[in-house]
Amino acid sequence: SYVLTQPPSVSVAPGQTARVTCGGDNIGGKSVHWYQQKSGQAPVLVINFDADRPSGIPARFSGSNSGNTATLTISRVEAGDEADYYCQVYDSSGDHLVFGGGTKLTVL
Amino acid sequence: QITLKESGPTLVKPTQTLTLTCTFSGFSLKSTGVGVGWIRQPPGKALEWLAVVYWDDDAHYRPSMRSRVAITKDTSRNHVVLTVSNMDPVDTGTYYCAHFTVGGLAYWGQGAVVSVSS
Repeated sequence: SYVLTQPPSVSVAPGQTARVTCGGDNIGGKSVHWYQQKSGQAPVLVINFDADRPSGIPARFSGSNSGNTATLTISRVEAGDEADYYCQVYDSSGDHLVFGGGTKLTVL
Repeated sequence: QITLKESGPTLVKPTQTLTLTCTFSGFSLKSTGVGVGWIRQPPGKALEWLAVVYWDDDAHYRPSMRSRVAITKDTSRNHVVLTVSNMDPVDTGTYYCAHFTVGGLAYWGQGAVVSVSS
């Protein structure tokens, strides 16, 4: 089955740029969605179709996807961005949804 | 406005069957391309997709859970039901239902906390 690999943690100072990666075999050929999950809350979709922002998501959030790596980029990081971030794809070979293992973003 | 809410028991015993109901509003599960999925999260761990049911009654399951999980829909009552048989303590966690399209899981319920203990 398809596997998505994320780094367990990323740390960044306020105002800097955070990049969270999601690795998968030829992931560039799939649509990647990203979710933010703050402590004790349900996940929120922050990026879909690799780089689109749903309504209400700040422009500081952006995404890219090429080759074997998709990346979520958060510019001008704020304390309120501290959360777990998950990537997700649809594996058409098995009609499955697949999540990455999640990355904890810490704002220093 | 799309909303979803999970309901069901908070505590089940090992070997019992868990039944959770997702009650939704603001969309129709008869609309082409729409599905409702179930995702769970063990304490302190990552999200795990369990199952999805689509507008056309097609359903798909996490391969490792296929023998234990069933998902059904009742469009007249705007309900989607998940059953997980032979529950084990490792099945403890928060169970979410979510609105699904090709654009991802854009709307989530608040989650239902389920503990498995004798």
